[in-house]
Amino acid sequence: VIWMTQSPSLLSASTGDRVTISCRMSQGISSYLAWYQQKPGKAPELLIYAASTLQSGVPSRFSGSGSGTDFTLTISCLQSEDFATYYCQQYYSFPFTFGPGTKVDIK
Amino acid sequence: EVQLVESGGGLVQPGGSLRLSCAASGFTFSSYDMHWVRQATGKGLEWVSAIGTAGDTYYPGSVKGRFTISRENAKNSLYLQMNSLRAGDTAVYYCARAASGYDGFDYWGQGTLVTVSS
Repeated sequence: VIWMTQSPSLLSASTGDRVTISCRMSQGISSYLAWYQQKPGKAPELLIYAASTLQSGVPSRFSGSGSGTDFTLTISCLQSEDFATYYCQQYYSFPFTFGPGTKVDIK
Repeated sequence: EVQLVESGGGLVQPGGSLRLSCAASGFTFSSYDMHWVRQATGKGLEWVSAIGTAGDTYYPGSVKGRFTISRENAKNSLYLQMNSLRAGDTAVYYCARAASGYDGFDYWGQGTLVTVSS
């Protein structure tokens, strides 16, 4: 089983801030990593796949980087609609696993 | 438009069984791997099962031997048979489509709530 950690678990930020979320794997997964955004009461939405490829329709202020064991999600200029919880997910091997999540809230 | 609509959730006693369904539309269902993911209230996401286009199935240890994923391509439907349910299985269950090339889960349903309680 591939274990994942995310940091921070809670991130307080203001509109316009640049924020960075980290995701670390217990073993290398090449670039088989996705990032999701989830708002309360809603299903997750795919933001980024293959570690750095933006899903169609996702604003360009979102970006992803990394490979192997260390990955990063960056929001370049935080907007009001970006306050949500973010999860990373590895799909390199079964069982697929999700990170514990990072909640981005208003400072 | 791609749509995934779950149904079948509800209240069940510990040790009981429940069958969830996911109705798919707007895409060629038989061509995509499908998954179930669950989320307990206030908690994170947990992958529950997967089924490939050839019918191959995968489970995490937490549900293996108790849950069975299946699909019926003629009905564009995905199922999750859940047996020997425990309080820890209480969650919202989502069905999700694996993107082409297996690049994440690109479409999700709205979820169905399963509550295991006496």
